[in-house]
Amino acid sequence: TQTVSQSDAHVTVFEGDSVELRCNYSYGGSIYLSWYIQHHGHGLQFLLKYYSGNPVVQGVNGFEAEFSKSDSSFHLRKASVHWSDSAVYFCAVTSMYDTNAYKVIFGKGTHLHVLP
Amino acid sequence: GGIITQTPKFLIGQEGQKLTLKCQQNFNHDTMYWYRQDSGKGLRLIYYSITENDLQKGDLSEGYDASREKKSSFSLTVTSAQKNEMAVFLCASSPRQSQNTLYFGAGTRLSVL
Repeated sequence: TQTVSQSDAHVTVFEGDSVELRCNYSYGGSIYLSWYIQHHGHGLQFLLKYYSGNPVVQGVNGFEAEFSKSDSSFHLRKASVHWSDSAVYFCAVTSMYDTNAYKVIFGKGTHLHVLP
Repeated sequence: GGIITQTPKFLIGQEGQKLTLKCQQNFNHDTMYWYRQDSGKGLRLIYYSITENDLQKGDLSEGYDASREKKSSFSLTVTSAQKNEMAVFLCASSPRQSQNTLYFGAGTRLSVL
């Protein structure tokens, strides 16, 4: 069974700061990892995905994430946040090949607060 | 581009009532999902459907039924609404060649009196 853990329920930073949102997963096989963003009152929007190759993947709006097999992590980063980045961020995992392929499991989310 | 339409946007029900939520997508995606979102608990998978006429249980399927009537639509039924229940139900779809890239609807907010 795949699981996703986002250890921080809330993260608060000032505009222009860098930020890292943490995601750890547990699964023994090959997986896809993704990040999504949810603004208040809306559905989730896809940010970026990793499945193989370069462990650092680039997404929209300056976001990037780094996969680490040794740490079982897929942390999301941004070098300089804007107030509009205030939202809830979800990490998600899917098995690539086994009977759980297509079963997409999400973490509990991290609420990013960007202060002016 | 495409869109996922969830109806209704708001649903108020009575305890014990059977309630149906609908989802339509025009992406022509094979896979569709229903998630429940509760504050502080993230998204929990209720049902998903890999292709038309397929149905797979998620981790929270008890108390729900689902139906993939055709490729573009996926409905969810709350079989017996629980008193004071409040949650948002999110529908999503994804193309078969791009697992883990989901496109979400805006959600249906359920309140049970």
